[in-house]
Amino acid sequence: NAGVMQNPRHLVRRRGQEARLRCSPMKGHSHVYWYRQLPEEGLKFMVYLQKENIIDESGMPKERFSAEFPKEGPSILRIQQVVRGDSAAYFCASSQGQGDGYTFGSGTRLTVV
Amino acid sequence: SQQGEEDPQALSIQEGENATMNCSYKTSINNLQWYRQNSGRGLVHLILIRSNEREKHSGRLRVTLDTSKKSSSLLITASRAADTASYFCATELIQGAQKLVFGQGTRLTINP
Repeated sequence: NAGVMQNPRHLVRRRGQEARLRCSPMKGHSHVYWYRQLPEEGLKFMVYLQKENIIDESGMPKERFSAEFPKEGPSILRIQQVVRGDSAAYFCASSQGQGDGYTFGSGTRLTVV
Repeated sequence: SQQGEEDPQALSIQEGENATMNCSYKTSINNLQWYRQNSGRGLVHLILIRSNEREKHSGRLRVTLDTSKKSSSLLITASRAADTASYFCATELIQGAQKLVFGQGTRLTINP
C-alpha cells in the first residue's frame, strides 16, 4: 500500500516559468491538503481539496497559484510565472476525513533560479 | 499569529535522557497531532490526541493534552541518536474547514 506519492522530488524552474507539482493520495483517502515549508520553518497551510472541489484555499496566494483534484488522476498544484520567493518545499498530505491522522508525502523541493 | 507554538525551539540532550517538548495553541481544537521530520524529508505522523483525551502513549512516546491551558507536551523517553529530528505539533480546529495548523517546531538533537 503505497503512501502519498509526490512528484517530482526536485524541480528547478527559471523565473517566469510554470511549475506543476503532483500528488497522489493514499488509497482510500479522498481529502488532500497542500502545505509549503520554507527552510527552518513550520508548514504553512495552502489549500484543502476533495475530489473536484476546493474546500478551503485560504492559505493560497490569490495570484499565480491554483490547485485541482480531478475525478481521475492526481492532485495538481500549479504555480505560474514563478519567482525566487516561491522556492520552498511543497508537501501534500491526505486523510480519510476529519479527526484522522494525515499521511504526508516526501515533498517536492522547488528551486527557482 | 501562530495557532501552535512549540517550546523550546531547539533542544540538545544526551542519548538515554528524556526529551520533553511543549506546544501551546490559541483556539478550540478537535484534536492535536505530533509529527516528526528528519532533515530534508517529509513528515511522519507520531500520535493523535483528541480533545476529550488527556494522555496517550505510543512506545517511547507520551503525549498529554490540557485543554484548559490550551497546551500539550510530547515526552520521548530513553532517547536515541535516531530520534534527532524536528518535531511539530499541529492542531485540527473546530471552526472552519478541516485542516491542520502547524507550529514552528522543536529541533531535537540527541548526542551520542
